[in-house]
Amino acid sequence: DAKTTQPPSMDCAEGRAANLPCNHSTISGNEYVYWYRQIHSQGPQYIIHGLKNNETNEMASLIITEDRKSSTLILPHATLRDTAVYYCIVRPGYSGAGSYQLTFGKGTKLSVIP
Amino acid sequence: NAGVTQTPKFQVLKTGQSMTLQCAQDMNHEYMSWYRQDPGMGLRLIHYSVGAGITDQGEVPNGYNVSRSTTEDFPLRLLSAAPSQTSVYFCASSSPGQRAGSFFGQGTRLTVV
Repeated sequence: DAKTTQPPSMDCAEGRAANLPCNHSTISGNEYVYWYRQIHSQGPQYIIHGLKNNETNEMASLIITEDRKSSTLILPHATLRDTAVYYCIVRPGYSGAGSYQLTFGKGTKLSVIP
Repeated sequence: NAGVTQTPKFQVLKTGQSMTLQCAQDMNHEYMSWYRQDPGMGLRLIHYSVGAGITDQGEVPNGYNVSRSTTEDFPLRLLSAAPSQTSVYFCASSSPGQRAGSFFGQGTRLTVV
């Protein structure tokens, strides 16, 4: 059973912020939220992850709701090169074997429009 | 700094043939895994390894074998190729306790005719 729910597709104008939502209502206390993206069927690329605090890095920001049941990935100034499929994944934070397995859904196909 | 390297990039097999997809990483990661991706789908885990000499099955292991004799290499063997194994195969690696995510190779596109 799917652990995350994402819209199948979204459009965003170039230069604007892209806000990609993800629902993970069954997330447990030790599970992190990870985001990956896949461009043109290349290998997935790690973007960002978080547990309960908002996170920001050079690629994106991650906003996690207080109840941790949903999150939003924000690309602050989307470019054409950000057109990709974005995957939201939850995984345990402990170091056991199960923590390394990534369960991919179908993700959100983001199209950045000139 | 090569990261995760997969070879070959493309391969066409005839039904019943066997072959090995190669995966190597130079980051000294303990954990390595193989995924397959079918058109319009997310990635599905085939096999994984948490260290040299240790492997286990993922979601879709049938028809595939793996071994892990070194930390660097994690080959995936197709025993008797079938058209249903036509897919794109990705290898990934990560380190215990690492919170920075997994590193993926660029994929092997396999067609079985």
